[in-house]
Amino acid sequence: IAGITQAPTSQILAAGRRMTLRCTQDMRHNAMYWYRQDLGLGLRLIHYSNTAGTTGKGEVPDGYSVSRANTDDFPLTLASAVPSQTSVYFCASSVGTGESDEQFFGPGTRLTVL
Amino acid sequence: AQSVTQLGSHVSVSEGALVLLRCNYSSSVPPYLFWYVQYPNQGLQLLLKYTSAATLVKGINGFEAEFKKSETSFHLTKPSAHMSDAAEYFCAVIFSGGYQKVTFGTGTKLQVIP
Repeated sequence: IAGITQAPTSQILAAGRRMTLRCTQDMRHNAMYWYRQDLGLGLRLIHYSNTAGTTGKGEVPDGYSVSRANTDDFPLTLASAVPSQTSVYFCASSVGTGESDEQFFGPGTRLTVL
Repeated sequence: AQSVTQLGSHVSVSEGALVLLRCNYSSSVPPYLFWYVQYPNQGLQLLLKYTSAATLVKGINGFEAEFKKSETSFHLTKPSAHMSDAAEYFCAVIFSGGYQKVTFGTGTKLQVIP
């Protein structure tokens, strides 16, 4: 049982390049989320999906896009990376979106944009 | 504006001493409150959560937190620190609207001194 897997573990990327961070969960959770973690700022929500086929914008969505073609996968795409997108990215999932549903987090992807 | 504040970005305690990590929120309506732990190079793991039931919440690894409405606080405590408790701890708040509206604190890094 893997839970949530993220790939790659880390990546160094040239500015202007396109990059897709992958996230897969095997828990059949309806809701999935992407966060970025920056020193001194905690975690900030980028995008979310309440169920397959739907997505929504979080607190910091600019420069990022997501899709949710099926229940298990929730890729995050940076169309044209910029240095300010250097961060650690975490994918998370929960059974539902209610506050009583526990969120489970993946191990993260460390992205450096030069 | 609704917000969450963690006092102290770094806390050091001796092994066996009391652990106290502070979290305050600003809201006229009691929110849902969470504490997460993050070990180095890992994702976040839920320690405990308050969802308007008992005000004293017990979590994993011997941690507990008490919701105090009058003080708008949800401080995390553990009677006796263990070396394995060294990690970063995040308080998170949902004022309304489910996980797509979650706000994370900036984190407190706990150092345990042998």
